Amino acid sequence: QQQVKQSPQSLIVQKGGIPIINCAYENTAFDYFPWYQQFPGKGPALLIAIRPDVSEKKEGRFTISFNKSAKQFSLHIMDSQPGDSATYFCAATNTGNQFYFGTGTSLTVIP
Amino acid sequence: KAGVTQTPRYLIKTRGQQVTLSCSPISGHRSVSWYQQTPGQGLQFLFEYFSETQRNKGNFPGRFSGRQFSNSRSEMNVSTLELGDSALYLCASSLFGPPYGYTFGSGTRLTVV
Repeated sequence: QQQVKQSPQSLIVQKGGIPIINCAYENTAFDYFPWYQQFPGKGPALLIAIRPDVSEKKEGRFTISFNKSAKQFSLHIMDSQPGDSATYFCAATNTGNQFYFGTGTSLTVIP
Repeated sequence: KAGVTQTPRYLIKTRGQQVTLSCSPISGHRSVSWYQQTPGQGLQFLFEYFSETQRNKGNFPGRFSGRQFSNSRSEMNVSTLELGDSALYLCASSLFGPPYGYTFGSGTRLTVV
């Protein structure tokens, strides 16, 4: 059973566009929701994370929107660049326990 | 400071063999977690070790096992390899365990033929 469901599987946007990746979860005990970015041949790297007591968090061009009642959260990438082309994973955990990851979104930003 | 180091980077094994993968965490980190990454499945949690003790375990068969040494280095072993075990195996280390400071290595790409 997939604890975290992620969509879309792949995404292609033009440079400057705003790709949006969505995730949904079931377990209301989750209290930490990170997004990871992975380039080919590398391990995932933490991009940005949010706790359920806030509805939005912004770091540079990356924004997480969090909807606790809907049990959904999403990643927005403002002014996307070709260098943002990577695979993005959402995840969820309740502190101290394992991470549950989404299945990943392959993002391609066309120059 | 040095990141999480996984060795070897690539491995080709024959079905039925066994394999051991190694993970050296960031200096000072006491928690090491292992994940299996396959296309379409994302990252699946295998197990977590903290101070040489297995603290959490995912839903993998007993062919998958691990251990952690007193210097926090960890090894993962897969016995009786199957074709479906072909994957990227990632380890992540952190000071006390997830979620903070969770840093991944670049992984070991295992191919079973």
